[in-house]
Amino acid sequence: DIQMTQSPSSLSASVGDRVTITCRASQSISRYLNWYQQKPGKAPKLLIYAASSLQSGVPSRFSGSGSGTDFTLTIGSLQPEDFATYYCQQSYRTFGQGTKVEVK
Amino acid sequence: EVQLLESGGGLVQPGGSLRLSCAASGFTFNNYAMNWVRQAPGTGLQWVSSISGSGESTYYTDSVKGRFTISRDNSKNTVYLQMNSLRADDTAVYYCAKARGWELAEGFDPWGQGTLVTVSS
Repeated sequence: DIQMTQSPSSLSASVGDRVTITCRASQSISRYLNWYQQKPGKAPKLLIYAASSLQSGVPSRFSGSGSGTDFTLTIGSLQPEDFATYYCQQSYRTFGQGTKVEVK
Repeated sequence: EVQLLESGGGLVQPGGSLRLSCAASGFTFNNYAMNWVRQAPGTGLQWVSSISGSGESTYYTDSVKGRFTISRDNSKNTVYLQMNSLRADDTAVYYCAKARGWELAEGFDPWGQGTLVTVSS
């Protein structure tokens, strides 16, 4: 099975910061990589699909890049509502362990 | 508006069975694959199972193969997860999620609110 490893596991940031989260696959997955945001007690929300396509309704400060084994989610300017946990997902299967974005 | 409403969660003893349901509305149900994802308390997301729009193709994570069965009734716009031989490590919130588009690999959106399954004696 393909393993997905996110880094860091958590980070502290301030409103307005540029935030980058990395996801690495144990083998090439082409561009079959999705990103989700989850807030406490809520269902996850799809942000990015196919590595770099922005899901409808998601603010443009979110962007994704990468292919093969290395992928990145970037939040261009962190907003108060962006403090949450972020997960990558390989295709329809394995999720990364999550990255919690906390207030600095 | 797309809506997904899970039901059927609850407390069950180890070795027992439970059937989860997810009622969908707001889209052409048989055009989209459907999925189940779970989240154990305080942990991350784990994909459990997926089913194609027609129901002909099903997929499972290794830890539930042979114990869980995903199915759908397109006349009722409902997807099911039959869970047998339940174990303590199956305890989780179970989410139902629609495939975002035609390609199952392009993510899940939206998700239901989740239903809690607790396996304990």
